Amino acid sequence: SQTIHQWPATLVQPVGSPLSLECTVEGTSNPNLYWYRQAAGRGLQLLFYSVGIGQISSEVPQNLSASRPQDRQFILSSKKLLLSDSGFYLCAWNPQPSGNTIYFGEGSWLTVV
Amino acid sequence: AQKITQTQPGMFVQEKEAVTLDCTYDTSDPSYGLFWYKQPSSGEMIFLIYQGSYDQQNATEGRYSLNFQKARKSANLVISASQLGDSAMYFCAMRGLYNFNKFYFGSGTKLNVKP
Repeated sequence: SQTIHQWPATLVQPVGSPLSLECTVEGTSNPNLYWYRQAAGRGLQLLFYSVGIGQISSEVPQNLSASRPQDRQFILSSKKLLLSDSGFYLCAWNPQPSGNTIYFGEGSWLTVV
Repeated sequence: AQKITQTQPGMFVQEKEAVTLDCTYDTSDPSYGLFWYKQPSSGEMIFLIYQGSYDQQNATEGRYSLNFQKARKSANLVISASQLGDSAMYFCAMRGLYNFNKFYFGSGTKLNVKP
């Protein structure tokens, strides 16, 4: 069966420090991969999605970047965190070519102080 | 572009009663899919139900049903026989034919089930 994992689950980072959140999917190949952010009490904002290795689409201009170095690995990064980067980050996947739902990881709580 | 609107930030329901969570959407895509997710306080997102825009019947999954009214562009979630474990945030989402890889979410509804 397919599973998705992301880590770390919780982190507290100072302003200006780098960030790396990692997500991996198991049990499938060539999935669509996504990074969403959820601010406190808000809906999910699509940050990045990827349809293949090295293929990244950015939805909103921001302080973050994403990379997909391997088929089932998706990484969210920042060189210098801002206070506004705080939130709950969710990785998700969707099977290609036309999976009818999107499956989420456990989420990562980021607090920038 | 797609837009999802959930106008109820919070809802209360008595245990064992039914509740309807509202969702309206806007899209110019001729074909699209609608989804509902549940997010407990732990943060995980749990898929509940899916409705395709060309499906003839409203989707049902156990105690969950989707009241799909295409002309009104609404896709309300109905939870029957509410349970205490149903207390959570609920998100409506959609994706369209022309932006097939993008899933867009509403702002969510916080449901509280009272004993």
